[in-house]
Amino acid sequence: NAGVTQTPKFRVLKTGQSMTLLCAQDMNHEYMYWYRQDPGMGLRLIHYSVGEGTTAKGEVPDGYNVSRLKKQNFLLGLESAAPSQTSVYFCASSTSVHRTEAFFGQGTRLTVV
Amino acid sequence: GDSVTQMEGPVTLSEEAFLTINCTYTATGYPSLFWYVQYPGEGLQLLLKATKADDKGSNKGFEATYRKETTSFHLEKGSVQVSDSAVYFCALSAPYGGSQGNLIFGKGTKLSVKP
Repeated sequence: NAGVTQTPKFRVLKTGQSMTLLCAQDMNHEYMYWYRQDPGMGLRLIHYSVGEGTTAKGEVPDGYNVSRLKKQNFLLGLESAAPSQTSVYFCASSTSVHRTEAFFGQGTRLTVV
Repeated sequence: GDSVTQMEGPVTLSEEAFLTINCTYTATGYPSLFWYVQYPGEGLQLLLKATKADDKGSNKGFEATYRKETTSFHLEKGSVQVSDSAVYFCALSAPYGGSQGNLIFGKGTKLSVKP
C-alpha cells in the first residue's frame, strides 16, 4: 500500500539549475498539494490542485510551477533554483478539502548551493 | 486571515509525564481542527481531528477538545512514552476563509521524551 510517493528523496542543485519533483498517489484522491517545511516556519502551501488538469496558487508560489496532467501525479518544478528554495518539500493528497485527512509523502530534502 | 498559533518548543519530558501542547486558532466560520505528528525522517500523519465545537478527538492516548469559546484545540496525553518523541503540528481547515479550506499549519512543537 504505497500511498503518496515522492521522487527524489534528496537532491543538491546549483543556483540557476532546474529540476522537477514528482509526487504520485494511488488512492484516487482528487486533491493534491505541495508544501515546503522550513525550521521555525511550519508547513507552507506552495500550490495545490483540486482535480486533474487544475492548479492553483498557495501561500508561497513564487519561483515554482506545477502541473497535474494525470489524476495520480502532481509535479513541482523549479525553473531557476535559488538558495532560498533550500527546504524540505512535502506532497500530500486528500479526498476533499474540508474535514478530511491529508496523506503525506516522506518528503524531498532539496539543497541549493 | 486564517491562522494557527501553537506553543514554542522544544518540550522535554520524562517518561510517564503529563503532556500539554497549546494550540489556538483564528478562522472564518467553523473550521475543522487537526493534530498531525511527524516522526524523525518521515512525513506528517494525522493523529486526531475534530470537526465541530465540543468534539473530542482521540488516538493513541492523545486527546484534544474543540473549544469554540476560547478558539483552542490543546493536545494532551496523560503519560508520554519515549516513542512519542516527534514534532506535533496543529492545523485547521476553514472552507469560507481566505485559505479556501486548505490546511493551515502551526509552526510545530518538538517533543523529546527521556527514559
